[in-house]
Amino acid sequence: QLQLQESGPGLVKPSETLSLTCTVSGGSISTSSYYWGWIRQPPGKGLEWIGSMYYSGDTYYNPSLKSRVSESVDTSNNQLSLRLTSVTAADTAVYYCVSWATSTGTFDRWGQGTLVTVSS
Amino acid sequence: DIQMTQSPSSVSASVGDRVTITCRASQGISSWLAWYQQRPGEAPKLLISLASNLQAGVPSRFSGSGFGTDFTLTITSLQPEDFATYYCQQANSFPLTFGGGTKVEI
Repeated sequence: QLQLQESGPGLVKPSETLSLTCTVSGGSISTSSYYWGWIRQPPGKGLEWIGSMYYSGDTYYNPSLKSRVSESVDTSNNQLSLRLTSVTAADTAVYYCVSWATSTGTFDRWGQGTLVTVSS
Repeated sequence: DIQMTQSPSSVSASVGDRVTITCRASQGISSWLAWYQQRPGEAPKLLISLASNLQAGVPSRFSGSGFGTDFTLTITSLQPEDFATYYCQQANSFPLTFGGGTKVEI
């Protein structure tokens, strides 16, 4: 069964870069069935889609973050990565790694989430 | 961007009640709508895809309906484990967007 696990620093300083990695297990990241990406949720608030990437490189980003975000896929290690530059306190959130099923447009697998706090 | 508006933002209910949550899209999205359940401290869980397709393992007391701009999630006979926050999500076009959530509480 497909499982996703996020990893990375839980604390990032303002103006620095947030970097997270997601390891996919139970299936190959090089599948035609999914895009892979990230969703975040500030404490006590709703869900915000960050972006989704196909293993071949096709990528979609949320326009609200596009100037600061980049995603990449490492097919040899079955991992995806997120970089968000110039972070502020508004970027404090739980970051979820997700699989996006192309046939239904749904996020059908989620990692457990990792809280990233932006603070000096 | 397609805006997704959920109502109500919260609802108080009791075990055994029927609860209906609505989601309205700012433009037509055909059946490209999903519903998620999020319990406190957990990641969201997919309940329904393509407006009305129940995911495997999801109890039949959950159902979804709608097309175009107006959608509904119904929970018949609310159970203790159903007290959670529910989100709709449109998959018609990028950027993918969510509703603001509906908290179902006692």
